[in-house]
Amino acid sequence: GAVVSQHPSRVICKSGTSVKIECRSLDFQATTMFWYRQFPKQSLMLMATSNEGSKATYEQGVEKDKFLINHASLTLSTLTVTSAHPEDSSFYICSAAEQGDYGYTFGSGTRLTVV
Amino acid sequence: DQQVKQNSPSLSVQEGRISILNCDYTNSMFDYFLWYKKYPAEGPTFLISISSIKDKNEDGRFTVFLNKSAKHLSLHIVPSQPGDSAVYFCAASAISYGKLTFGQGTILTVHP
Repeated sequence: GAVVSQHPSRVICKSGTSVKIECRSLDFQATTMFWYRQFPKQSLMLMATSNEGSKATYEQGVEKDKFLINHASLTLSTLTVTSAHPEDSSFYICSAAEQGDYGYTFGSGTRLTVV
Repeated sequence: DQQVKQNSPSLSVQEGRISILNCDYTNSMFDYFLWYKKYPAEGPTFLISISSIKDKNEDGRFTVFLNKSAKHLSLHIVPSQPGDSAVYFCAASAISYGKLTFGQGTILTVHP
């Protein structure tokens, strides 16, 4: 089946630094990828939709200058949290939509802790 | 505005019995619904889906029912197993390959 690899699985960074999270579709081409954020014991909230070769579409309330998304190829999308603050600490998950069916495959998530 | 709602935060079931997880939605544009299983610090795992043209879809122990008029769907797990214990999310999409809107999740605990 379709596999989405997300890296790193967990990262700790200092306030003010930037962190990059990678999301790769391993055995299929993903023209569209999605980035979600989950706070403890809460639902997955969509942050942005990433389309290969074009600018990402951000959900209302998500700062596009803080959460930079790049989808330069059909198999890779990256999320960069810039100038991270403790309130950015969360669980970030990517998802890729596979053409041919309604399949959405999720990555294993990244636990970001900003200290 | 919570467009997808799972009103039961938790459900406890005995092994071998049926687990019924419920989900309600408000957006009539949703035409595809999915159920995911999730463990802490992991990504969701797809279980089963249903399009709005159907009212039932079955896959092994998992069956999803959709009542469009009531804007309600449910996931039935029969028989329930201890390994089914996890958080279950329902999600909905309005267009093909469109963004998913998730419910709040229901913690299912299956007791041996």
